[in-house]
Amino acid sequence: DADVTQTPRNRITKTGKRIMLECSQTKGHDRMYWYRQDPGLGLRLIYYSFDVKDINKGEISDGYSVSRQAQAKFSLSLESAIPNQTALYFCATSGLGAGDNEQFFGPGTRLTVL
Amino acid sequence: RKEVEQDPGPFNVPEGATVAFNCTYSNSASQSFFWYRQDCRKEPKLLMSVYSSGNEDGRFTAQLNRASQYISLLIRDSKLSDSATYLCVVNPNAGGTSYGKLTFGQGTILTVHP
Repeated sequence: DADVTQTPRNRITKTGKRIMLECSQTKGHDRMYWYRQDPGLGLRLIYYSFDVKDINKGEISDGYSVSRQAQAKFSLSLESAIPNQTALYFCATSGLGAGDNEQFFGPGTRLTVL
Repeated sequence: RKEVEQDPGPFNVPEGATVAFNCTYSNSASQSFFWYRQDCRKEPKLLMSVYSSGNEDGRFTAQLNRASQYISLLIRDSKLSDSATYLCVVNPNAGGTSYGKLTFGQGTILTVHP
């Protein structure tokens, strides 16, 4: 079984709709991240959380919100989706130790906003 | 200036060729450096960390030049299975709330052909 899972894997929605993307992990990591990936722009950080009570904005948080329901779960919401939020979204996790820089990614959610 | 810049390619090389990718980063305080690999429509995965003294893992060699703020990845004896996007990744700071955050380059596309 995958260590980091994301649901849904694909979603098509309309402008103005509320969307929630979910991420779960079984790695026991404290740190979780949400990224979006667009062609030519690479991965950009939306939000990150270093533990259940910690939420931080990344470089492109406008139009998004997150919830860290438990150590293992980190969800991303688009309150009112717009077409330029069409992208591939990745959740990632990392450990807490000094050497734990490696991030482990989920399989991604492909979101299309019409 | 982007925090992490890569030549997007694409690089098209025959099997057996040697190919090198370069990456520059803007934050001189950056502490940790990595190369990730991303297959088409898949999640990024850590290929190798990059150490100041340079390091090698089989056919892959990574180099870091802190003075020039430059990272490289050399692939020898290219295989068809090396075809992927290679992401240069930097941890901009070692401490505080930046700890664990990564900044990704936009990726370099490699295609190895028979």
